[in-house]
Amino acid sequence: GAVVSQHPSRVICKSGTSVKIECRSLDFQATTMFWYRQFPKKSLMLMATSNEGSKATYEQGVEKDKFLINHASLTLSTLTVTSAHPEDSSFYICSARVPGVNEQFFGPGTRLTVL
Amino acid sequence: AQRVTQPEKLLSVFKGAPVELKCNYSYSGSPELFWYVQYSRQRLQLLLRHISRESIKGFTADLNKGETSFHLKKPFAQEEDSAMYYCALSPNNAGNMLTFGGGTRLMVKP
Repeated sequence: GAVVSQHPSRVICKSGTSVKIECRSLDFQATTMFWYRQFPKKSLMLMATSNEGSKATYEQGVEKDKFLINHASLTLSTLTVTSAHPEDSSFYICSARVPGVNEQFFGPGTRLTVL
Repeated sequence: AQRVTQPEKLLSVFKGAPVELKCNYSYSGSPELFWYVQYSRQRLQLLLRHISRESIKGFTADLNKGETSFHLKKPFAQEEDSAMYYCALSPNNAGNMLTFGGGTRLMVKP
């Protein structure tokens, strides 16, 4: 099946710094990737849809200047949490849609802790 | 806007007992419904979708448009079924923008 990876799996940073999370489709090209946030014991909340070669589409309430998304190639999307604060601590999960297949494949997630 | 509700946060059953994880949705159009499963320390993965009408690992789910439900069922639960289960809705057939329910943790006791 299609494989999606995320890097890093875990990151701890100081308040005020920026953190970049990578999402890669390893064996397929993904024109569309998605970024989710999962709070402890809560469901996944869609943050934005990342489209290769164009601007990301953000969900209501998600600050685009805070969560920068870049989808520069068909196999890589990045999420940068800018000027991170402790309330940004969460589990961030990406997924990628296989073209022509109505299914999303999920990455393993990245645990972000902001001190 | 669409919404997915899973009323039970935790469902605990004994091995061999029947299981039903409830999922209700609200959406004005014709959605596609999915069940995703997350085993301990593993990533989220697709279990089944309503359009394929297949049984995966003994699980089935039928879309009931009248009741706007997509409950997940298995006649005889196994210990390895213990996991987090998420019901999800896609507002179209393009696989975009999944809206997830809150999830139900299934615990199957020996």
